[in-house]
Amino acid sequence: EVQLVESGGGLVQPGGSLRLSCEASGFTFSSYSMNWVRQAPGKGLEWISYINSVGTTIYYADSVKGRFTLSRDNANSSLYLQLNNLRVEDTAVYYCARVPPYDSWGQGTPVTVSS
Amino acid sequence: DIQMTQSPPSLSASVGDRVTITCRASQAIRNYLAWYQQKPGKVPKLLIYAASTLQSGVPSRFSGSGSGTDFSLTISSLQPEDIATYYCQKYNSAPITFGQGTRLEI
Repeated sequence: EVQLVESGGGLVQPGGSLRLSCEASGFTFSSYSMNWVRQAPGKGLEWISYINSVGTTIYYADSVKGRFTLSRDNANSSLYLQLNNLRVEDTAVYYCARVPPYDSWGQGTPVTVSS
Repeated sequence: DIQMTQSPPSLSASVGDRVTITCRASQAIRNYLAWYQQKPGKVPKLLIYAASTLQSGVPSRFSGSGSGTDFSLTISSLQPEDIATYYCQKYNSAPITFGQGTRLEI
């Protein structure tokens, strides 16, 4: 069974940093592209970053470019998202998702940016 | 960047109704279009990919159609468990964009 488990979310002040992790199991992680998608409270889905299977191609949404960094460790079946210079508007549940189209999602980890 | 415009933003229907949600891309995306269902408090679920291919395990009352710029998701006979917000997504290239969502109510 495919499983994606996010962790690392929490409460942080504006300008602060967090590192989100997504641990994968039940499939050959190194064969799949991965993504992060977020959803602000009461809002829609927003794609924020993509990484190909070997980590050589990475894309970011304009809203996070220059502040967030996506990486992966295929040996440990893990995906990471470093969030720097956080803003109030980054408050959301952050999901990792496989491919696209996203046939598997994690349960999400909440990030709250507030003073 | 390609924009995805969903309509309507919300929809009220009755059990047994045929319901159609549309999604329009600002540029052609061939058939790189997916539909997701998100129930309140739950993780999104993939319903349809490649515009018209039903994801495994999804009831056959859901169907998708379209190519290029105009797409639609149809529920042939609405069931109470279909209450959710539905999102289209284009995935032909980055940025990967979602539509704004359609909230379906009974």
